[in-house]
Amino acid sequence: QKEVEQDPGPLSVPEGAIVSLNCTYSNSAFQYFMWYRQYSRKGPELLMYTYSSGNKEDGRFTAQVDKSSKYISLFIRDSQPSDSATYLCAMNPFQGAQKLVFGQGTRLTINP
Amino acid sequence: NAGVTQTPKFQVLKTGQSMTLQCAQDMNHNSMYWYRQDPGMGLRLIYYSASEGTTDKGEVPNGYNVSRLNKREFSLRLESAAPSQTSVYFCASTRTSGVQETQYFGPGTRLLVL
Repeated sequence: QKEVEQDPGPLSVPEGAIVSLNCTYSNSAFQYFMWYRQYSRKGPELLMYTYSSGNKEDGRFTAQVDKSSKYISLFIRDSQPSDSATYLCAMNPFQGAQKLVFGQGTRLTINP
Repeated sequence: NAGVTQTPKFQVLKTGQSMTLQCAQDMNHNSMYWYRQDPGMGLRLIYYSASEGTTDKGEVPNGYNVSRLNKREFSLRLESAAPSQTSVYFCASTRTSGVQETQYFGPGTRLLVL
């Protein structure tokens, strides 16, 4: 069993829809949770960073962490074609990327 | 400010050949990392360097060596390439600001080993 599980998709939704992306994990030591966006043939870029449980909002993006269920989510409101990308979750038991564990990524397409 | 740069962008090797992947960052970051990305596997850490002069193994170091040449540059060497090393390789550097750590990734090197 992988430490971090992420549905690879692909996920295809119409423009303007609310998108929900999720990851589950097994290691209860994880405290730092991230979402990266990766456009085709580009490097990942950090989208959201959350420490411990709770919600964090940034514009159209909301990250949620539920440590009791070992479940994290990324919501995208009013989705745009420019949001089409692969979204990777990542998590860490402490600061320092030496133990950073990535999900395999979910490929998302927003259709105009 | 170019961020993280990688060369080459694409390379084809024959089994047994060697090559060095180059990475440089101009953000004055201490920590640098090499990852490989394979379909269905996510990103896996090969080696990292917490600071100039130090390097450590990550999750999948076998078949690779690294050199932290100075604060800016971190290279990855394949001494004898194998088809299993066909992958996309990403270099990254990290900035820490309070609780948040931000990794900045380069554009990647696509490697095909025949």
